[in-house]
Amino acid sequence: DIVLTQSPGTLSLSPGESATLSCRASQTVSSNYLAWYQQKPGQAPRLVMHGASTRATDIPDRFSGSGSGTDFTLTITRLEPEDFALYYCQQYTKSPFTFGPGTKVDLK
Amino acid sequence: QLQLQESGPGLVTPSQTLALTCAVSGGSITPGGHSYHWIRQPPGKGLEWIGNIFPSGTTFSNPSLKPRVSISIDASTNQFSLRLTSVTAADTALYFCARASGNFFPLSYWGQGILVIVSS
Repeated sequence: DIVLTQSPGTLSLSPGESATLSCRASQTVSSNYLAWYQQKPGQAPRLVMHGASTRATDIPDRFSGSGSGTDFTLTITRLEPEDFALYYCQQYTKSPFTFGPGTKVDLK
Repeated sequence: QLQLQESGPGLVTPSQTLALTCAVSGGSITPGGHSYHWIRQPPGKGLEWIGNIFPSGTTFSNPSLKPRVSISIDASTNQFSLRLTSVTAADTALYFCARASGNFFPLSYWGQGILVIVSS
């Protein structure tokens, strides 16, 4: 299985600041089939980024993704109140399609 | 707009079988390229991919659950289903169904989730 590790576990930030979330894979994620999901309490996850760097529908451009191989990053610039949430990365290149443990972006 | 909705019992007795259904609306389940997934999330924990199915009936499942997991699809009712046998308290979780646009696609559409508690 491809094991995904996310860091940090928690990011405490203020609105207007930038967040940098990391996702590292135990083996190469072929074709950058790496997605990021945002989850708020009581809600289903929402696709934010796919193909490592392609924003999903209706995701604002303050979200950006980068990386390849085993190291990936989700960056959120100018944090808005609605961006404070849990973020999971997931690889969909090889079954089982594993998720990382998540990074919580919370309000400082 | 595609919508997915999970349904099933919210309480299952240990050693019994958990059975959930995901109803798909706003689009047909039969176009061959899409894949339909089950994911779960124990209370306060992260996401675990359970498995998926294609309209052809081809399935894949997480090896950690594979002996106990069965996923099926019913084009006539536009639904797909999950069965998990021999459940224990460790199977208590919020269960989500989701759809990807095909193989090697992310999960674009999610149901709201259904909480299943395993307890006597």
